[in-house]
This record gives sequence, C-alpha cells and structure tokens, in this order.
Amino acid sequence: DIQMTQSPSTLSASVGDRVTITCRASQRITNWLAWYQQKPGKAPKLLIYKASSLESGVPSRFSGGGSGTEFTLTISSLQPDDFATYYCQQYNTFSGGTFGQGTTVEIK
Amino acid sequence: EVQLLESGGGFVQAGGSLRVSCAASGFSISSYAMAWVRQAPGKGLEWVSTISSGGDSTYYADAVKDHFTISRDNSKNTLYLQLDSLRVEDTAVYYCAKAGYWVTTPLDSWGPGTLVTVSS
Repeated sequence: DIQMTQSPSTLSASVGDRVTITCRASQRITNWLAWYQQKPGKAPKLLIYKASSLESGVPSRFSGGGSGTEFTLTISSLQPDDFATYYCQQYNTFSGGTFGQGTTVEIK
Repeated sequence: EVQLLESGGGFVQAGGSLRVSCAASGFSISSYAMAWVRQAPGKGLEWVSTISSGGDSTYYADAVKDHFTISRDNSKNTLYLQLDSLRVEDTAVYYCAKAGYWVTTPLDSWGPGTLVTVSS
C-alpha cells in the first residue's frame, strides 16, 4: 500500500505569511495527488487536484507542485480564512485513496 | 448544485450493525464513482471504500474489508454503506463523497457527515 507522509504536523504562521506544506509518497504516484482543506466540524473541501490544478472557485493564492514522490501545497499570502487543517491524498492506484495525516495551520 | 446528505448514523453496541445512506441531488450518481471516508474523533481522514460508477467494482480499506459493504441504488440516487460487526474503533464521522467517472479521481464534493458511535 502507498503511504503518505505530511510535514510539518502543525505550522504556526501570521496573516500575510507564505506557507508551504510537504507531502511525500512511499512510491511514485506520477501527479495523481490532491489537497483538501478542512475546518473544524466541517467536511473537507478539494483545493488542488493532479498535483497542481486549482479546483474551480479556489483562490489563486493556493498552489500545488511536485511530481513522483514529493509534493507541496503553498499559500502565497495567508488569510484569516486559511487557518485550517490540510490533507494530501494520492489516487494513483486503486489500493485505496490514502490520505496524509494532516497539517494544521494555526495562528502564530 | 451538487449536494450530498448522509443519514443513518447513531449509537450502536459493539458487534452490532448499522446502514448509513447518502442521498445525492443536483447530479446523477450513476455517472460517477462514489466513496466513503471516515474521521475518528480528533483524528485525520481515513478512506473507507469506493464503488465504481457502474457499481461493478468495489474497493475497501483493509481495516473494514469483510465487515463493511458499499452499494448504490442509482434509481434512488443514493449511496449506502452497510456496517456489520462494528468495533469501538469504527466510531467516526462518516462522509460520503463524489469522485469523477473513474475510481482513480479526487473527491470533489462531500456531504456534512454522519456520526457513528460504537460503545463497548
């Protein structure tokens, strides 16, 4: 099975900061990677698919990159609405759409 | 507008059964793969199961294989998850989610979730 590892687990940042979250896959997944945002008590929301494609309606301050086994989610200028938990998910094969363990972005 | 609404969660004793449902509106589930994802209290997301758009292929996480069953009724535009032989560690919010046509696609719409609590 493919394992997904995110870092860091928690990130403290201020409004306006540029933040980057990393996701590593245990084997190559080409670019079949998605990023989701989840706020407390709410369902996850798709932000990025195919590693770098922005889902419709998602602000352009979010961007994704990487391929193979290492991927990043970058928020170019952190906004108050962006304090949340972010998850990566691989969908390369159907051994299951494994999620990373999550990265919580909190107010510094 | 695509909407998904889960129902059927609740309290159940270990060893018991429950069926959770997901009613879809704004689109026809027959054209899409559909999935269940769960989240234990205070924990991260865990993929549970996916069913192909045609319903002929199903996939399960190892943790639920042989005791959960995913199904769909396209005529009712509804997705189901039958949870049998429930364990305390199955306690979670269960989300249904819409994928693309293929099972290897991201989850672009989610319901608000339904809480299943398994007591010992």
